[in-house]
Amino acid sequence: GAVVSQHPSRVICKSGTSVKIECRSLDFQATTMFWYRQFPKKSLMLMATSNEGSKATYEQGVEKDKFLINHASLTLSTLTVTSAHPEDSSFYICSARDDSNNQPQHFGDGTRLSIL
Amino acid sequence: AQKITQTQPGMFVQEKEAVTLDCTYDTSDPSYGLFWYKQPSSGEMIFLIYQGSYDQQNATEGRYSLNFQKARKSANLVISASQLGDSAMYFCAMSPRRSNYQLIWGAGTKLIIKP
Repeated sequence: GAVVSQHPSRVICKSGTSVKIECRSLDFQATTMFWYRQFPKKSLMLMATSNEGSKATYEQGVEKDKFLINHASLTLSTLTVTSAHPEDSSFYICSARDDSNNQPQHFGDGTRLSIL
Repeated sequence: AQKITQTQPGMFVQEKEAVTLDCTYDTSDPSYGLFWYKQPSSGEMIFLIYQGSYDQQNATEGRYSLNFQKARKSANLVISASQLGDSAMYFCAMSPRRSNYQLIWGAGTKLIIKP
């Protein structure tokens, strides 16, 4: 089946560091990818829709300059948390939609980010 | 407003029993998809089952079935013969056609299977 690889799975870093998370579709092309943030025991909160070759569409309340999204190819989207602070600590998870069919979105395994 | 409601924050079920997880939805879009995902404690989101709004029959995938009642706007997940490995968070989600494939998520139900 379709696979989405998300890397890294776990990051621990100091406050002020920028962290890049990759979301890669391994065996399909994905014009559209989605980035979510999930707080403990809560549902997924959509942060932004990543569109290949164009600017991402951010949800209300999500800082564009804080959470930089780049979708430079049909198989890779990256989320960079710039100048991360402890309040940015969370579980971030991406999903990708296969362009060739109407199958459900495929999810990466998530990235657990801890800012000290 | 487009919304997914899961009214059961948590459930305990005896192993081998069937379990029904509730999900109701609200949308004005006549075309939409309904999804169930499983999220174990390790965090990954596992797709379980899909139901299209125009599908005539209820979706089934192995031990999972979706009880789709369009008039009542409900899409309950039924797990037959529950197993210990079914313990996880379960999320119901909806994708209206006009949403550009975005998923609208329910709050989730934490299912614990007792041996």
